[in-house]
Order: sequence, then C-alpha cells, then structure tokens
Amino acid sequence: GIQVEQSPPDLILQEGANSTLRCNFSDSVNNLQWFHQNPWGQLINLFYIPSGTKQNGRLSATTVATERYSLLYISSSQTTDSGVYFCAVVANNNDMRFGAGTRLTVKP
Amino acid sequence: DAGVTQSPTHLIKTRGQHVTLRCSPISGHKSVSWYQQVLGQGPQFIFQYYEKEERGRGNFPDRFSARQFPNYSSELNVNALLLGDSALYLCASGAGGRRDTQYFGPGTRLTVL
Repeated sequence: GIQVEQSPPDLILQEGANSTLRCNFSDSVNNLQWFHQNPWGQLINLFYIPSGTKQNGRLSATTVATERYSLLYISSSQTTDSGVYFCAVVANNNDMRFGAGTRLTVKP
Repeated sequence: DAGVTQSPTHLIKTRGQHVTLRCSPISGHKSVSWYQQVLGQGPQFIFQYYEKEERGRGNFPDRFSARQFPNYSSELNVNALLLGDSALYLCASGAGGRRDTQYFGPGTRLTVL
C-alpha cells in the first residue's frame, strides 16, 4: 500500500518563528489533507490539498503531486499551534493513510 | 450545523468483554469511516461504509465489525477485547467520494484493563 512519511518527527520553536513540515508519499493520490490534532485528540482539518497551493491566515500548504510531496508552512507561530500535525492521503482504495505525524512545540 | 459526533467519550472495559462505539456523521454525508489511534502513532484505517455497504476494510481481525444504519449513523463493535485494543477510536464522515474532504469526530477513548 501507499507509504506516507512525515518530517521532522519533532520540532521545537520559539513563539514568532516560522516552520515547514514535509509529507512524502509513495504513489499518486486522489486526496491529501493536513490535520492538527489537539491535546484532547480532536483532528482539526487544516487543508484539503491534493495539488496546488492554499493559504489560510498564518498557515499555507503546497502539494506537488508529480513529485509526491506536500509542505505545510506555519508563520509567526503561537503557543496554540502546539500539537501533532498529520498528513493523510487517499490513493486508489478507500482508506485514508496517515503519516506518523510531526509533534510541534511552540515555547513562549 | 453539528459536526461529527461520537459516543461515549470515554469507556473502560476489561479483557474479554465487548464494546459498541457510535458515530453520527455530518448531516448530508453518506460515508462513515472508522480509525484506531494508539498512543504515539497516526490513525489506522479500520472500515469505511457508504450507503450502508462496506466499501473498505483495513488490516484488523474479525473481532472488529461495523455497520451503518439507514440514517447513515454507524456502530463499531469490538468483541473479546484485548489490552492492545486500548486506543482512541475516531470516526470520520464524508460525502462519499475518494476526493471528498473527511471530517473527524472527537473520538472515543477506550481503555481495556
């Protein structure tokens, strides 16, 4: 099945810093989403982005489908950005395959 | 509009027991998927149902089963619970296509003692 790799596994930032999270996938996909999981376990949708670039406030994402990777950019990070960020893809079957996540800690 | 809802929020069971978890999708969504997330890992796909039919199954034993009702809500059943079944169980709903955005509920945290 499709493999999803996220990097880095852990990231520690000072408040106000910028960061880039990466997601590599091993096959073509029909669906790619970025999620933020809060400390209570809720997966919050950030982007639906199987290709192209999108921006939402301080967050933006780019997926280059032909090269099988996606990037999530966080600018001017805040302590509330802390948590685990997941990339998830859907290939030709119907299951959504998640990466192992990037754990982000933003220090005040 | 209400998002995806799941019940119960927390559950404690003992080995060998069975458990039923429930999920109500976003109004208008016909697809429900179930995921298991153990501590420190990403969610793992268990089942997907669409229009009351199973459309996908992950690599889980037959102790895991699910069904979808005419109102598109869904139940996940786990029999003969093992300690390793302790996890956060997440439900996601979508319109039904592979290209559709999936929306997740808050999850049910199951502890097996």
